[in-house]
Amino acid sequence: GAGVSQSPSNKVTEKGKDVELRCDPISGHTALYWYRQSLGQGLEFLIYFQGNSAPDKSGLPSDRFSAERTGGSVSTLTIQRTQQEDSAVYLCASSLSGTSDTQYFGPGTRLTVL
Amino acid sequence: AQRVTQPEKLLSVFKGAPVELKCNYSYSGSPELFWYVQYSRQRLQLLLRHISRESIKGFTADLNKGETSFHLKKPFAQEEDSAMYYCALIGSGGYNKLIFGAGTRLAVHP
Repeated sequence: GAGVSQSPSNKVTEKGKDVELRCDPISGHTALYWYRQSLGQGLEFLIYFQGNSAPDKSGLPSDRFSAERTGGSVSTLTIQRTQQEDSAVYLCASSLSGTSDTQYFGPGTRLTVL
Repeated sequence: AQRVTQPEKLLSVFKGAPVELKCNYSYSGSPELFWYVQYSRQRLQLLLRHISRESIKGFTADLNKGETSFHLKKPFAQEEDSAMYYCALIGSGGYNKLIFGAGTRLAVHP
């Protein structure tokens, strides 16, 4: 079946603009995660959604970052007033449940802020 | 604090040589440990997890709680093993977020 998909694959934006990154998890997976992969920070957790529970936002680096998950499926990560340090690859993953099930990663969105 | 340390950024070996990618962790409880791999132009994928105690693509990893280590080993490296390897842990507490090490690039030369 189809794996986790993300769009766009690449996004170039100007400093100060808002961007939206989309993630389509594997069908039936109740847990969804966003991570960021950057040169300076490596792979870091951003936010976690599990079913209808309140999301774990503990990894979001600032209040410019927010995420939604509509209908328990598709998720959108929004970055407002982008800064150059936001440039990174944003990875989405999903797992069957919120326990220690295997997380399946998407191909990522490469964000470049000029 | 929860932390994963991979001391080597790059490990370069010849085909057929043994490989050991080091991983140490810091966690006060009983974490679950993983190795993820990212081949060139492919997505990040799970290689193995310590609770499975299985060998994948010839790789094994043993959790050593005394040394807080989870080193990844393979007796005979192959060129197709060249990739970026990440050690990661999930702590207890009800959340499934992965905490990753910085990664080690393995380069296997012919």
